[in-house]
Amino acid sequence: NAGVTQTPKFQVLKTGQSMTLQCAQDMNHEYMSWYRQDPGMGLRLIHYSVGAGITDQGEVPNGYNVSRSTTEDFPLRLLSAAPSQTSVYFCASSSRFRLVESSYNEQFFGPGTRLTVL
Amino acid sequence: GEDVEQSLFLSVREGDSSVINCTYTDSSSTYLYWYKQEPGAGLQLLTYIFSNMDMKQDQRLTVLLNKKDKHLSLRIADTQTGDSAIYFCAKGGSSNTGKLIFGQGTTLQVKP
Repeated sequence: NAGVTQTPKFQVLKTGQSMTLQCAQDMNHEYMSWYRQDPGMGLRLIHYSVGAGITDQGEVPNGYNVSRSTTEDFPLRLLSAAPSQTSVYFCASSSRFRLVESSYNEQFFGPGTRLTVL
Repeated sequence: GEDVEQSLFLSVREGDSSVINCTYTDSSSTYLYWYKQEPGAGLQLLTYIFSNMDMKQDQRLTVLLNKKDKHLSLRIADTQTGDSAIYFCAKGGSSNTGKLIFGQGTTLQVKP
């Protein structure tokens, strides 16, 4: 199994450009999520999905869109890039049956996409 | 709201023990986790503890949980240069979303 894969690894955008960060997992996980990592702020949840066709907002969703047409893929779209979106983006997945907070919930992370917006 | 706090930096000498601390505000989560992030990589689950436990030991790792003070710690015995990384504590969110709430991460620097 490849686990969670992300492309591209690095990207530089100009302000106002749009792009899609790709995320795929081959573990048949129903739960997938996107985080951004900024220095001194840990990981903040952008959007998440509990299954194909179902998405919801995390704590920092503005400026990002997601869709989940298949179990495997969960792309993150930047609609009009801004310098404040310069960050490292991580995709993660987890088995759905463990989603209650009382259950063990190991999330598997991709290697990340380092995005710079000029 | 839910909050998880960590100190940002810890420096130790090779062979010493490292202790990374974490505090949290909401005690509803049944599991608490420690993730490790090596340079340029994603996060990997290092260990976890169930909330009805006070301590969990796994080879060089010891996790201590003080529920009364809402304090979690990770002790790494005989710290090696390969342990240099960012360590995140995390807990489940209070709603049934699968969301994990992460601390800011502690950068562990191991000096030879």
